[in-house]
Amino acid sequence: ETGVTQSPTHLIKTRGQQVTLRCSSQSGHNTVSWYQQALGQGPQFIFQYYREEENGRGNFPPRFSGLQFPNYSSELNVNALELDDSALYLCASSPRQGRGGYTFGSGTRLTVV
Amino acid sequence: QQPVQSPQAVILREGEDAVINCSSSKALYSVHWYRQKHGEAPVFLMILLKGGEQKGHEKISASFNEKKQQSSLYLTASQLSYSGTYFCGTEISFSGNTPLVFGKGTRLSVIA
Repeated sequence: ETGVTQSPTHLIKTRGQQVTLRCSSQSGHNTVSWYQQALGQGPQFIFQYYREEENGRGNFPPRFSGLQFPNYSSELNVNALELDDSALYLCASSPRQGRGGYTFGSGTRLTVV
Repeated sequence: QQPVQSPQAVILREGEDAVINCSSSKALYSVHWYRQKHGEAPVFLMILLKGGEQKGHEKISASFNEKKQQSSLYLTASQLSYSGTYFCGTEISFSGNTPLVFGKGTRLSVIA
């Protein structure tokens, strides 16, 4: 059983640029959630995808967007990067919500300069 | 809606016990517990569904008090490997469109 894979592991971008982060979900999981984790804080919910549709969104601006593909992999896109977007971005896959624990990927460390 | 965890940090010697609490102001459907070691991804420990059940995972167990919307994680006879930050995550609905919301975490340090 494969786990959750995220790419890239580290990324440095300039303020104002755009970035795309990728996530492959665990086999058998059809729900993908994205979280932003600042240093020393708990993961903050960005949004969740189920069957290729956004299924819930946290308190993040529209410049944070995502996609889920038929194979349940997912992308997180962030436009017009700001310095405060620097964080660890975690992807987690799960069985249909409420039916099991989340499996997290190792994350993408994004630094905006 | 973010659950509140206590304590924020705790230091234990090997073999000692600890309790980490997680409380919510909203009625909960489920509580998850995760452990995150420095520089690593959070790792799922267990999930508790409403009904007040208690679960165990080796020497780590948890309970869920539905009336108080509170969950507690119990670590007994702690080992060095238990060190890390523990997060609770809560879901308020089974409907499928409410997120898993995490607390700010409890940093646990086990020393020899």
